[in-house]
Amino acid sequence: QPHLQESGPGLVKPSETLSLVCTVSGGSTSDSSYYWGWIRQSPGRGLEWIGSISYSGTTYMNPSLRSRVTISEHTSKNQISLRLKSVTAADTAVYYCARHPGLYGGAYVDHWGQGALVTVSS
Amino acid sequence: DIRLTQSPSFLSASVGDRVTITCRASQGIYNNLAWYQQMPGKAPTLLIYAASTLQTGVPSRFSGSGSGTEFTLTITSLQPDDFATYYCQHLNSYLLFGGGTKVEI
Repeated sequence: QPHLQESGPGLVKPSETLSLVCTVSGGSTSDSSYYWGWIRQSPGRGLEWIGSISYSGTTYMNPSLRSRVTISEHTSKNQISLRLKSVTAADTAVYYCARHPGLYGGAYVDHWGQGALVTVSS
Repeated sequence: DIRLTQSPSFLSASVGDRVTITCRASQGIYNNLAWYQQMPGKAPTLLIYAASTLQTGVPSRFSGSGSGTEFTLTITSLQPDDFATYYCQHLNSYLLFGGGTKVEI
């Protein structure tokens, strides 16, 4: 069973860039059977998908966040990273790393990280 | 854009009750729906995918049904561990979640 662990700063200033890393153990980010993604959750916005990346590096983004998001895969480290630029208080949320077997019918998340709370505040 | 509406938003129940939660899609989505359970302070966990397929390890008191625009999650004989928030999710090229149903004692 894979274990997903998010890490990164818990406090980010407005207008700056939020950066998180998801380290995967017990599985490989280069496994062609899976996609790796980021989902966030806040009281006001519920569960919101940010985007996902395939083993080949193809990214799929939430259109509402696409202009501010970069998701990358770092195969040598078995990590996925998230960068969200120009953050505001509305980006305050718990950020989850997630694995899903595919898109469309396979887009269910079968493994989640424990989540990382990121607060945007000066 | 497809929207998912869960009802009710809150549900009060007792141990042993049969509970049904509904998720309605604004357009037909075939059987492309999943259900999750989330305990306070924890990440969601997958219960059901493809509308009715039980994820490995999930107790059989959980079941899902429906297709098209209306889906249900049923918990027969509610257990103490089942008091949680439940979410539906549309399975597509993007991941879209419903607003959640909190099951309270």
